[in-house]
Amino acid sequence: GQQVMQIPQYQHVQEGEDFTTYCNSSTTLSNIQWYKQRPGGHPVFLIQLVKSGEVKKQKRLTFQFGEAKKNSSLHITATQTTDVGTYFCAGAQGGKLIFGQGTELSVKP
Amino acid sequence: KAGVTQTPRYLIKTRGQQVTLSCSPISGHRSVSWYQQTPGQGLQFLFEYFSETQRNKGNFPGRFSGRQFSNSRSEMNVSTLELGDSALYLCASSLAGGTYEQYFGPGTRLTVT
Repeated sequence: GQQVMQIPQYQHVQEGEDFTTYCNSSTTLSNIQWYKQRPGGHPVFLIQLVKSGEVKKQKRLTFQFGEAKKNSSLHITATQTTDVGTYFCAGAQGGKLIFGQGTELSVKP
Repeated sequence: KAGVTQTPRYLIKTRGQQVTLSCSPISGHRSVSWYQQTPGQGLQFLFEYFSETQRNKGNFPGRFSGRQFSNSRSEMNVSTLELGDSALYLCASSLAGGTYEQYFGPGTRLTVT
């Protein structure tokens, strides 16, 4: 079936360290989106990537879409305690958004 | 603009009962999607409605159904509840459709005992 794999499942970092989460799909995606869900909250849209090889930045966050439009990554530089939460990728396939399992990020001050 | 609202926020039901959840999208958004979130399965797509028509459906049994009204408000119904239906049910609205930027509501936490 349609699946988007996301790794790692958990990441514990010291404040100031970098963090990266990866998503991979077996099929080509129309677009890929990233969401952040804080503990006890709901997913909040971060960004959408559409073009092959696209790279977008939001302050300390860098998002990439692979050349084959099957994989993506989110990189956070110099993590802060406010970055805590679960980061989800969501790939658009066949008229649906398929979410990865998420990467839970904890940041130790 | 007001965000996506969902009612009720918490619900406790017994196995075999049915439940109806409600979602009011952001004003102007005609697409409403429903997701089930559980610790084990993550976010699973249930269905998407656009202008009162179901456009896409996920891999859930027929006990899960939905509808959308002319004002874009949506309801989701689950009949013959099972223990495994305990989850956070999230509604999301979008201006462009179910595969574009989603604005999620706070969710309804359903517990089936």
